Amino acid sequence: DAGVIQSPRHEVTEMGQEVTLRCKPISGHNSLFWYRQTMMRGLELLIYFNNNVPIDDSGMPEDRFSAKMPNASFSTLKIQPSEPRDSAVYFCASSLGIAEAFFGQGTRLTVV
Amino acid sequence: GQQLNQSPQSMFIQEGEDVSMNCTSSSIFNTWLWYKQDPGEGPVLLIALYKAGELTSNGRLTAQFGITRKDSFLNISASIPSDVGIYFCAGAGSGGSNYKLTFGKGTLLTVNP
Repeated sequence: DAGVIQSPRHEVTEMGQEVTLRCKPISGHNSLFWYRQTMMRGLELLIYFNNNVPIDDSGMPEDRFSAKMPNASFSTLKIQPSEPRDSAVYFCASSLGIAEAFFGQGTRLTVV
Repeated sequence: GQQLNQSPQSMFIQEGEDVSMNCTSSSIFNTWLWYKQDPGEGPVLLIALYKAGELTSNGRLTAQFGITRKDSFLNISASIPSDVGIYFCAGAGSGGSNYKLTFGKGTLLTVNP
């Protein structure tokens, strides 16, 4: 079975540009999470969707960040405009409504 | 906010040795999870614990859910080179939120062959 699929794996962009990260959760999973990982803060939950509906976005750092889940098999995380401090590894994870989340391989974002 | 204190931060061991790491929290959790992360990859779930006092094994890995629900440990027996990586504990269920995982800062394990 395919796991959580994220794209792109690496993204380098200039400050001020829009960045879109994509995620395909595991088929049948009804919960989707976006996490950010940095050396300073570790793994942080950004937003949680259940049945395609955003339930908790309290971890989204600023209005520059937005996430959508138009259907059960696709989600995006958008940063507009991007800033150097947004550089991090962004993970998408999915689960079947319980705590056991399965992570994708991540997108390493570098904003220069 | 919730914090998980994971220790040790790093470990350097010889192949064949046993390893132990733990997590403590000021909050009670309903679920404890242990993940391993290899360089350039996402965290991979190793063990999930759902009941206080529960002891669960997965091959050479054994984890326990502390009786106070505020701590958990992970043991790795007879370590091998492929055990190298960062191990994270995560707690869920604190404050009525079953989905929100709070992660420790990780334990970096190095195994010398």
